[in-house]
Amino acid sequence: KQEVTQIPAALSVPEGENLVLNCSFTDSAIYNLQWFRQDPGKGLTSLLLIQSSQREQTSGRLNASLDKSSGRSTLYIAASQPGDSATYLCAVTGGSYIPTFGRGTSLIVHP
Amino acid sequence: DAGVIQSPRHEVTEMGQEVTLRCKPISGHNSLFWYRQTMMRGLELLIYFNNNVPIDDSGMPEDRFSAKMPNASFSTLKIQPSEPRDSAVYFCASGRDNYEQYFGPGTRLTVT
Repeated sequence: KQEVTQIPAALSVPEGENLVLNCSFTDSAIYNLQWFRQDPGKGLTSLLLIQSSQREQTSGRLNASLDKSSGRSTLYIAASQPGDSATYLCAVTGGSYIPTFGRGTSLIVHP
Repeated sequence: DAGVIQSPRHEVTEMGQEVTLRCKPISGHNSLFWYRQTMMRGLELLIYFNNNVPIDDSGMPEDRFSAKMPNASFSTLKIQPSEPRDSAVYFCASGRDNYEQYFGPGTRLTVT
């Protein structure tokens, strides 16, 4: 059974810092990995999707990498802003197309 | 595109009552997922439909929960009878096969 772990569980940084969120998974036979953002009381918003054949995806200040062999993905946020404050979740989808979510990293960027 | 639509957005009901949550996926998507989110357990997949057919319902907690997808544009999740421990936020998400999932705004259910 796939297990997804996100470290750290919470992070507080000053505005302007570059930061890295980590996601690890136990079964490397994945189909894709997706990073989401969730604001308090809201639904999940898709940030980046990495197919198993890809190594990374970029969108604006966000860059996600995938290393299947080591069972790891990182989400890099450049020049963080207070508006980036949210919970970030990663979801791993295996060959059965069933996604497994991590518990998320709660990020606070203070001015 | 209006995105995934869920109704109601909030539901407060008494223990023992029937609850029906509704979801309209994004047009053209053929995968639909129902999730439950709580502080204790995080985000849990309840059931997954592909082309209106339930593929995996192993996450449905017990027989009190049932889900249907009568056509490509509508799905329901029903709880009968409801219990206080069912209180959670229920999300519906849709996608095209195994590509990106798009989430609805969720239904916050409170069972007293």
